[in-house]
Amino acid sequence: RKEVEQDPGPFNVPEGATVAFNCTYSNSASQSFFWYRQDCRKEPKLLMSVYSSGNEDGRFTAQLNRASQYISLLIRDSKLSDSATYLCVFDYGQNFVFGPGTRLSVLP
Amino acid sequence: EAQVTQNPRYLITVTGKKLTVTCSQNMNHEYMSWYRQDPGLGLRQIYYSMNVEVTDKGDVPEGYKVSRKEKRNFPLILESPSPNQTSLYFCASSGGLYNEQFFGPGTRLTVL
Repeated sequence: RKEVEQDPGPFNVPEGATVAFNCTYSNSASQSFFWYRQDCRKEPKLLMSVYSSGNEDGRFTAQLNRASQYISLLIRDSKLSDSATYLCVFDYGQNFVFGPGTRLSVLP
Repeated sequence: EAQVTQNPRYLITVTGKKLTVTCSQNMNHEYMSWYRQDPGLGLRQIYYSMNVEVTDKGDVPEGYKVSRKEKRNFPLILESPSPNQTSLYFCASSGGLYNEQFFGPGTRLTVL
């Protein structure tokens, strides 16, 4: 059975803070890894794919550790607009499995 | 504009009354999926389709049917809805080099 565990949150951080989320997976057959962002009552939207070598997109850095079976997301210089729920997603050949999500609130 | 559309956005119905939620994408994606999202349980995949006439069960397929007669459409059918199918439903299509998913705006279904 595929299992995904994600930091429970909620994370309440001040503007400008650095925050990190982890997500572990038990089934090593995942072909692709993603972080999605979901605003309240809206559809999830892709934040970034996670590549084997790690990747960065502006203030966001994603990493993959296949040996320990987790992915991580680092957000630097948090903005109020970063407040959302962050979902890790694993692709088992189009059978996508989502983590339960971590809620982030960035406070002024 | 590249998008996934779902209809209806909101639906209140009664137990046993068959309903269909439509989903359409204009990105020529081969892959499409249906999810339900419930508090505390996150997003769970109901069915997915890798191409026309090819569908597979996800993690929670019981009580649902799908069809993929055309590439752009992937309707979700509830033959006999029950109250435990009250949920927020999302359709998604995926493609491209990294196979990222694009979601529709969601359908909030209430079964009384």
